[in-house]
Amino acid sequence: SQQGEEDPQALSIQEGENATMNCSYKTSINNLQWYRQNSGRGLVHLILIRSNEREKHSGRLRVTLDTSKKSSSLLITASRAADTASYFCATAATSGYSTLTFGKGTMLLVSP
Amino acid sequence: DAMVIQNPRYQVTQFGKPVTLSCSQTLNHNVMYWYQQKSSQAPKLLFHYYDKDFNNEADTPDNFQSRRPNTSFCFLDIRSPGLGDAAMYLCATSSPMRGPTDTQYFGPGTRLTVL
Repeated sequence: SQQGEEDPQALSIQEGENATMNCSYKTSINNLQWYRQNSGRGLVHLILIRSNEREKHSGRLRVTLDTSKKSSSLLITASRAADTASYFCATAATSGYSTLTFGKGTMLLVSP
Repeated sequence: DAMVIQNPRYQVTQFGKPVTLSCSQTLNHNVMYWYQQKSSQAPKLLFHYYDKDFNNEADTPDNFQSRRPNTSFCFLDIRSPGLGDAAMYLCATSSPMRGPTDTQYFGPGTRLTVL
């Protein structure tokens, strides 16, 4: 069954605004990752947060993890038209060798 | 640059005609994955290799096979493609023994059309 569920399914904002996407999961995890996918392309890893971490930053990205609620959020600040893409969360049950289970994704549209 | 390469980027085949998709990597990663992604859906793991060990997902149809002749290459064989197999096929790699992360590195994908 699907591990991650993102919301919203689609998000439309203007350049300069912040975009927040949420992900919920069902079982215990070792880490949660966010990936980005431009239309018709492969996925690109954005950021990984481990189960013992609560918040991580990378450039304009901020990820939070609440293991008690089994949820994570991805915040993109000062969005740009180039941020238009689909964003997926993925969970890994164990560290090291572990397959990922992807959520359904949020499609983000940033208008100039 | 080290990368994951998929060929071809676009593949058209006929209903029932076998097709092979290829993936190569210059990252020297020991794990390689094949995902199927249909329009507006999440990538779905079909199978993966940890070195030479093949791991099939329970719900992957028998119509899908894979080969990994060496570390760098991995192939996805679809023996008798049906219309429902039209999708983007993504190859990914990871190297869990070389670092603390489980990051996967994806190729650009092969878009398969079945006529």
